[in-house]
Amino acid sequence: SQQGEEDPQALSIQEGENATMNCSYKTSINNLQWYRQNSGRGLVHLILIRSNEREKHSGRLRVTLDTSKKSSSLLITASRAADTASYFCATGPNSKLTFGKGITLSVRP
Amino acid sequence: NAGVTQTPKFQVLKTGQSMTLQCAQDMNHEYMSWYRQDPGMGLRLIHYSVGAGITDQGEVPNGYNVSRSTTEDFPLRLLSAAPSQTSVYFCASRFTGQAGELFFGEGSRLTVL
Repeated sequence: SQQGEEDPQALSIQEGENATMNCSYKTSINNLQWYRQNSGRGLVHLILIRSNEREKHSGRLRVTLDTSKKSSSLLITASRAADTASYFCATGPNSKLTFGKGITLSVRP
Repeated sequence: NAGVTQTPKFQVLKTGQSMTLQCAQDMNHEYMSWYRQDPGMGLRLIHYSVGAGITDQGEVPNGYNVSRSTTEDFPLRLLSAAPSQTSVYFCASRFTGQAGELFFGEGSRLTVL
């Protein structure tokens, strides 16, 4: 069963706009990860945020974590057509990482 | 480094046939795992291994066997394929210990008729 649930299921934006994706989870966590999957490819790790961190940045990515609300958000700033992909949050014990169903992001040129 | 290599990329089986999906990694990762990805279901963990000689079940292990005789290889065996096993299979690996990123292969698309 999925621990994390992403929202929205699909998102379509114009190039240059910001994209915000959310993830909610059910039980307490040690960390939360975000992954990207391009069509027909494997998943690629984007960023990991630990439970004692509230915000983390990596290039155009900004991740926040609110453990009181059991939620995380991924912000992609100044989106590009190449950001078109599915995005997944992942939580759980190190040996049994569980993934949400994913968000499909389409960035229109 | 090649990373995580999966073979074959595509396979069509008939119901009842058996086959093995191969996974190899050259990063000396202790942890390896198999996931299946189905539309609307996300990724679900099938089996995983924390080192050579050690395997354990994930969320959906029925119908699949694994073994880990070396650090590099983690094959997934379908004993008697069923249409419900039609899916895209991903192998992933990482170092154990501290939480860290999973490195995924490119996937193996399996169709069972």
